Amino acid sequence: LAKTTQPISMDSYEGQEVNITCSHNNIATNDYITWYQQFPSQGPRFIIQGYKTKVTNEVASLFIPADRKSSTLSLPRVSLSDTAVYYCLVGDLYGGATNKLIFGTGTLLAVQP
Amino acid sequence: SQTIHQWPATLVQPVGSPLSLECTVEGTSNPNLYWYRQAAGRGLQLLFYSVGIGQISSEVPQNLSASRPQDRQFILSSKKLLLSDSGFYLCAWRGLGRQSSYNEQFFGPGTRLTVL
Repeated sequence: LAKTTQPISMDSYEGQEVNITCSHNNIATNDYITWYQQFPSQGPRFIIQGYKTKVTNEVASLFIPADRKSSTLSLPRVSLSDTAVYYCLVGDLYGGATNKLIFGTGTLLAVQP
Repeated sequence: SQTIHQWPATLVQPVGSPLSLECTVEGTSNPNLYWYRQAAGRGLQLLFYSVGIGQISSEVPQNLSASRPQDRQFILSSKKLLLSDSGFYLCAWRGLGRQSSYNEQFFGPGTRLTVL
């Protein structure tokens, strides 16, 4: 499983766009990139997943360059409720029967009013 | 729809006491099940996972154990708790096939364990 590196924390203000970048230099050909969000005292929640180029859903966008050695989670116009820890994970989508997820320490996003 | 339950929500136990945390999943069959632990201010650590009844894989050697007596039941246990066992314990499930085409795990509400 490829190791990921993210900033420990980020600060933002309401209404701004936030971009969180994750490095995964050893990503394998079969690996997908997945982002989870975790609020205090809750379990993580799936946000978005992608393999290459750009993926967008109702919550966020995920940008993945051609070499796939990094990815950027983009949150448009954040609000106070977006304050949370964001985890970047890399792993084989079809990872056998185990489908283990390896969480790092994540990025604590603090949104100020 | 699928739901995942964990209990108890909070637990305070003395060092050396036993532990039993339970996780159950509804609305799915033959899920992969996972136990994670999160220490204060830290990321999630995968403890155990199970791909079927009676099948347990351990990720980290420790004084904890897991069992899966039924398809949708996953239990985390300890015979003697240590101070270092304190943390937030999360159970998660992943369905196979169409249920979870995005390699997504669904987490329960968690159990906050404090060992004194």
